Amino acid sequence: EAQVTQNPRYLITVTGKKLTVTCSQNMNHEYMSWYRQDPGLGLRQIYYSMNVEVTDKGDVPEGYKVSRKEKRNFPLILESPSPNQTSLYFCASSPKTGVGNYGYTFGSGTRLTVV
Amino acid sequence: RKEVEQDPGPFNVPEGATVAFNCTYSNSASQSFFWYRQDCRKEPKLLMSVYSSGNEDGRFTAQLNRASQYISLLIRDSKLSDSATYLCVVTLLSSGSARQLTFGSGTQLTVLP
Repeated sequence: EAQVTQNPRYLITVTGKKLTVTCSQNMNHEYMSWYRQDPGLGLRQIYYSMNVEVTDKGDVPEGYKVSRKEKRNFPLILESPSPNQTSLYFCASSPKTGVGNYGYTFGSGTRLTVV
Repeated sequence: RKEVEQDPGPFNVPEGATVAFNCTYSNSASQSFFWYRQDCRKEPKLLMSVYSSGNEDGRFTAQLNRASQYISLLIRDSKLSDSATYLCVVTLLSSGSARQLTFGSGTQLTVLP
C-alpha cells in the first residue's frame, strides 16, 4: 500500500531531551516536507526537501533539523525541544517538484507534547 | 494579511443541504490549487484539485477565478460523513523550482441529521 509512515504517533518528552520523529514513504516521491499544525494557525511548513541531500527551510524552521540521506526517509530532529514545540506534526510527500497538479500524501501525524 | 484566507466557520447544515466554501489567496503567481479534507485529529487528505475551467467530482464542484484570486468548493446533498474541516491549498514555485504548498486555516463543516 502506498503510504507515508510517521513514528511515533504520540510522544511526551521533557524540555531539552533530543528527539527524532521518523518519516518514510514507499512511493519513490522526490519531494518531502514537514508541517506543524496549531489551533488557529493552520499548517505551517518547517522544512522541505526536493530530493536526496537537498533540504531547505520552510516558514518556521527554528529549533528543528532535518536530513535526507535516502529518498524514502526524511526525519525531523528536535535537538533541544521546548514547550512551544508542542504541536501536531505531519510529514508529507509529493511525486515531483516543479509545476503540476501533484497533491501531497500525508502521514498520520505525530502529536508531540514537551513538558 | 494571510496568504490564503478562509472563513473558519463553523458551518452547521442539515443533511441534504448545499453548502459553499470560499477561499482567497494573495499571491497572483500561485499556480496550483487544491481542496483537502481533514477529519478531527487526522491527516489532511486530498479531496480534489481545482482547475481553471472548474471541475466536478460527484457531489463536489470546485471553481477557480484567477482574476479575483478566489477558489470555491460546493458540496451538494450534504451527508453526515461530509463533516470535517476543509482546507484550501495553493502552490507557488519558489526559488530552486520547489513547489510550496500554502494552507488556509480551514473551514469547519458539521452536517446535522
